[in-house]
This record gives sequence, structure tokens and C-alpha cells, in this order.
Amino acid sequence: EVQLVESGGGLVQPGGSLRLSCAASGFTFGGYWMHWVRQAPGKGLVWVSRINSDGSDTIYADSVKGRFTISRDNAKNTVYLQMNSLRAEDTAVYSCSRGGDYHAFDLWGQGTMVTVSS
Amino acid sequence: EIVLTQSPGTLSLSPGERATLSCRASQSVNSIYLAWYQQKPGQAPRLLIYGASSRATGIPDRFSGSGSGTDFTLTISRLEPEDFAVYYCQGHGSPPHWTFGQGTKVEIK
Repeated sequence: EVQLVESGGGLVQPGGSLRLSCAASGFTFGGYWMHWVRQAPGKGLVWVSRINSDGSDTIYADSVKGRFTISRDNAKNTVYLQMNSLRAEDTAVYSCSRGGDYHAFDLWGQGTMVTVSS
Repeated sequence: EIVLTQSPGTLSLSPGERATLSCRASQSVNSIYLAWYQQKPGQAPRLLIYGASSRATGIPDRFSGSGSGTDFTLTISRLEPEDFAVYYCQGHGSPPHWTFGQGTKVEIK
């Protein structure tokens, strides 16, 4: 089955760190760009970061630049999001998604909840 | 950076009616980089339309996309009960960034 499954979310204090994982299956993972997108409770979708197929190029939204790091391990079919210096406004469901044709997101995971609170 | 504004915020319609959703960009968008998604409560978004007008795999033909430049439209020709959801447009521009509209909720009237 073609799917993405995220893990690693939880409750963390402001200033803390968390590492999210997204395990891919059912497709040739190394052939695709991968993204992280977040959605605060009751709010819309916000793009966070993108990594290219071999991991050599990464891009970040301004709101997370310098605090978050995206990486991937193609041997493990997994993409990661290391989140440091977390803030209350980072509270959201974080979903990984596959970069499809014409810069659309053609496959999504269910997401993992990150709550930043003291 | 491109800003996408969707209207209306909420659309109240009955099953069988036609839904027309708008997405306006703050600057011209290459239409091949405009996509639409459907999201139901507690579910992941689902790609409906990419390249402004191409339906994704498995998407019924009652969903259609159109537009160019700064104005794009998602049309649902006849609403089915399962179509009541939130819809997002998404674009890609320079510097390389991906942007979503704020969403339009299609609710049962």
C-alpha cells in the first residue's frame, strides 16, 4: 500500500526540541521530493519545508528557518524534521507529503500532533 | 511571495447544486503550479486538481478546475453528500515556496 506514516509528536516545553519521522512505503521513495506541512488546530495548511530526492537541497518557510532541519534516509525510506527552539506558535499537526507533478502534493500522511506548552 | 485568497469563506449549498470556489493570487501564478485539495474533518488533505485543470488519479469528473494568471476556480458540478468539506488552493512561486489559500468550507444548507 502506498502510504506515509508520521511519528514523534508530543508535548514539549517552549524552547525544547522534537524530532519527527515519516516512514514511506509502497513507492520508490528516493525518486521524490518530500515536504512537511503543518496545520494549527482549527486553522489552514501551512507549508514548512522541502527536501529534494537525494537530500542535497533543502528549503524552509521563513517562520522556521534556522530552527527546523529537514533530512532524509533513502535506505530507510524515511524523512525527518528536527525541530529546535520550539515556540507556542509551532503547535500544530505536522504532516509529511510527497511532491508530485507540477509542485503539487500528491500523497499525504495522517500527521502527528506537536504541542508546545509549559 | 505569493498570497492566495480564497472566497467565499463558507459556501452553504444543497446536494445536487453547483459549487464555485475562487482562488485569487497576489501576483501572477504559472497555472501549471496551481492545485486544489479537499480536506474532511480528521483526515489528511486529498489532491483533487493539479496544473490548474488536471484531475488527480481517481477524482470524479464532477470536479473541474480552471483559470490563469491571478484568478482560478474550482467547480463541483453537482454536489454529492461526500463533497461537503474544506477546500484549499495551493500555488508555487519564486523564491521557491509553496503557499496555500486559507480555505473554503462547503457546508450543507
